[in-house]
Amino acid sequence: DIQMTQSPSSLSASIGDSVTITCRASQTITSYLNWYQQRPGKAPNLLIYAASNLHDGVPSRFSGSGSGTHFTLTISSLRPEDFATYYCQQSFTTPLSFGQGTKVEVQ
Amino acid sequence: QVTLKESGPVLVKPTETLTLTCTVSGFSLSNTKMGVSWIRQPPGKALEWLARVFSNDEESYTTYLKTRLTISKDTSKSQVVLTMTDMDPLDTATYYCARTFYYGAGSHGPSNLDYWGQGALVTVSS
Repeated sequence: DIQMTQSPSSLSASIGDSVTITCRASQTITSYLNWYQQRPGKAPNLLIYAASNLHDGVPSRFSGSGSGTHFTLTISSLRPEDFATYYCQQSFTTPLSFGQGTKVEVQ
Repeated sequence: QVTLKESGPVLVKPTETLTLTCTVSGFSLSNTKMGVSWIRQPPGKALEWLARVFSNDEESYTTYLKTRLTISKDTSKSQVVLTMTDMDPLDTATYYCARTFYYGAGSHGPSNLDYWGQGALVTVSS
């Protein structure tokens, strides 16, 4: 099974900051990497698929990059609604798997 | 408009079998580009993918729960059912169903979870 590891587990930032979250896979997953945002008490929302493609309606301040085993999610110019938990997920093979999450908190 | 909604018991006792139903609308379970996955999230913890059923009834399961899980679908009712046997307090979680969309050229390959239900909290306690 493929293990997904995110770093950091949490980070503090201010409105307007740019933040980067890293996700590493235990083996190559080419570009089959998705990112989700989860606000407290809500279901996750798809942000990015295939490592760098924005899902419909997702603001352009979100961007993703990477391939193989190393991926990043960058949020430029943080807005209040961006304080949430972010998860990466691989779809290279089943069983599908998620990272442990990165909580973006207000500094 | 694509929607998914989970339904099932709020409380189950240890050793009982949990049956959850996901009722979908806005897409067909026979669409070859789509499937439905179940994902759970214990309170305060991370997301965990459990199982997926594809349009041709092909099933996939997470490795360590494979012996306890069964996923199936009824296309005519637009429903996907997940059963989990021998429930334990550690299975207390919010259970989500999500559409699995295969965005690649074929009917398998890379996918994403593009629409989610609101989630159903299941507590396991005697």
